[in-house]
Amino acid sequence: QTVVTQEPSISVSPGGTVTLTCGLTFGSVSARSYPAWFRQTAGQAPRTLMYTTNTRSYGVPDRFSGSILGNRAALTITGAQADDESDYYCVLYMGDGTWVFGGGTTLTVL
Amino acid sequence: QVQLIESGGGVVQPGGSLRLSCAASGFTFSIFGMHWFRQAPGKGLEWVAVMWHDGSQQFYADSVRGRFTISRDISKNTLYLQMNSLRAEDTAVYYCARAEPGHWFDPRGQGTLVTVSS
Repeated sequence: QTVVTQEPSISVSPGGTVTLTCGLTFGSVSARSYPAWFRQTAGQAPRTLMYTTNTRSYGVPDRFSGSILGNRAALTITGAQADDESDYYCVLYMGDGTWVFGGGTTLTVL
Repeated sequence: QVQLIESGGGVVQPGGSLRLSCAASGFTFSIFGMHWFRQAPGKGLEWVAVMWHDGSQQFYADSVRGRFTISRDISKNTLYLQMNSLRAEDTAVYYCARAEPGHWFDPRGQGTLVTVSS
């Protein structure tokens, strides 16, 4: 069974740049995986941050960018701020009518 | 604006059934596909099911296939998730989301909590 993998936790310094990645246990992530990213702050419902690899949802600042790096989807945050601390989940389309979420990355800004 | 309001959660015994609702407004419900996904307490997100925009197809996660059914009532602008043979591991907050062009989906609600416990 295909599993979507993410770094469990990542830290970044305020003002720094960090990249979160999203891969597959079997195979490579490509644009045809239509990677999307959700952000969830503590106690809140998740919201879409990025979709179709690199399109930002309404209101998301351009400090956030999406890409494909090698065989993984990537979410890069530049100029990290304290309120970027959240859980970030990627979700991939499997091509067979189903989607799979990654396990999520907890981002700490310190 | 697009609104999705989930309801119908509650406490149910293992083996029991529950039907969740997702009331949609602010868009033409009949032309959009819809998803359900969930989050167990303290855990990550899990995709559950999708209904195609024309209602012709439904797909499910392996963990719920054969037990859950996604459906909709266009006249009521409401999406449903019928959950049967519930297990403790189905305990979660359930969210609905509108399917968007480009194989992504956009949740707008706060979810509804389902607790499966004796």
